[in-house]
Amino acid sequence: QLQLQESGPGLVKPSESLSLTCSVSGGSFSSSGYYWGWIRQPPGKGPEWIGSMYYREKAYYNPTLKGRATVSVDTSKNQFSLKLSSVTAADTAVYYCARHAAMAINWFDPWGQGSLVTVSS
Amino acid sequence: EIVMTQSPATLSVSPGERATLSCRASQSVGGNLAWYQQKPGQAPRLLIYAASTRATGIPPRFTGSGSGTEFTLTISSLQSEDFAVYYCQQYTSWPPAVTFGGGTKVEIK
Repeated sequence: QLQLQESGPGLVKPSESLSLTCSVSGGSFSSSGYYWGWIRQPPGKGPEWIGSMYYREKAYYNPTLKGRATVSVDTSKNQFSLKLSSVTAADTAVYYCARHAAMAINWFDPWGQGSLVTVSS
Repeated sequence: EIVMTQSPATLSVSPGERATLSCRASQSVGGNLAWYQQKPGQAPRLLIYAASTRATGIPPRFTGSGSGTEFTLTISSLQSEDFAVYYCQQYTSWPPAVTFGGGTKVEIK
């Protein structure tokens, strides 16, 4: 059974970069033919898509993030990562990693359990 | 950006009754719509994809319908475990993009 697990700092200072890693187990990450994505959910609000990428191909991002997000893959570790630059308090959220269904950016299943990131000095 | 609007924000339903949740897209998304259930402290769980296809393990009391800009999630007979927040999500193929609705909270009446 495929499982995803987010990890990274729970507290980030304003203007710095947020970095999170998603570890994938129970499946072969690089040969799977799936897109992998990041979603965040501010407290009390709905989810927001951040970006998604396919193994060794271009990543696609939510344009509202104005180029601050970067998704990358480390196939040797069966992981993919998120970097969000120039963070502000508005970036405080639970961050989830998830897999799309097959070779397209579509629905998400499964999801990781989520990682709360707070932006504060 | 395609905006997804869900209504109502809160739905009060008695156990055993039917719940009808709505999701409207600001422009046509065809059949590219998914529904999720989220309970406190948990990640969203996929219920429906492609507007009307139940995900693996989802009971038949959950039904998705609609196309274009108007979509509905119907829970035919609410069980205690169904009280949660429900989100719709559209996915467009080109350029690839995903947006979620603001959610409908289904609470016990």
